[in-house]
Amino acid sequence: GAGVSQSPSNKVTEKGKDVELRCDPISGHTALYWYRQSLGQGLEFLIYFQGNSAPDKSGLPSDRFSAERTGGSVSTLTIQRTQQEDSAVYLCASSPQHGLAGLNEQFFGPGTRLTVL
Amino acid sequence: SQQGEEDPQALSIQEGENATMNCSYKTSINNLQWYRQNSGRGLVHLILIRSNEREKHSGRLRVTLDTSKKSSSLLITASRAADTASYFCAIGSSNTGKLIFGQGTTLQVKP
Repeated sequence: GAGVSQSPSNKVTEKGKDVELRCDPISGHTALYWYRQSLGQGLEFLIYFQGNSAPDKSGLPSDRFSAERTGGSVSTLTIQRTQQEDSAVYLCASSPQHGLAGLNEQFFGPGTRLTVL
Repeated sequence: SQQGEEDPQALSIQEGENATMNCSYKTSINNLQWYRQNSGRGLVHLILIRSNEREKHSGRLRVTLDTSKKSSSLLITASRAADTASYFCAIGSSNTGKLIFGQGTTLQVKP
């Protein structure tokens, strides 16, 4: 079946503009995660959705960042008033959740490379 | 920090040699996972080892876990040029309910 997909694959924007990044998880996966990866660095956790529970937003770096997950499927990560330090690859992952988030394999999308000029 | 700390940061070997990467952590874990990343894009899950397991194999991969030392190692045997990638360990914590990634080891396998 289809894997996790993300769009766009690349996004170039000007400082101060808002951007929306989209993630389509694997069908049936109840858990969805967003990560950010700066050049040559590890993954920074941003936010986690599990079913109908309130999302874990503890990793969002500022109130300019928000995310939604509609209908328990597609998710959108929105960055308002982008700054140059927001430039990174934004990765989405989903998993067939059983129990707590850290207990399962995660399936990653190809990422969106965001460049803020 | 409870994230995995990986060692070495970079590793360069010849094709056919074995590659060993290490991961240390500070918190109690439910499991430890290893992922591979090519060209800075999506990660691919390689192997998951639970806290009550000591060793696990998958093809040319061997993962060990020593919970008393809070460390894990990933061994790739008979490496190939196609194994060139970044490798990340990720800590699955029952306390936080999250999967926390290390900074990664960049492996280069020269043909």
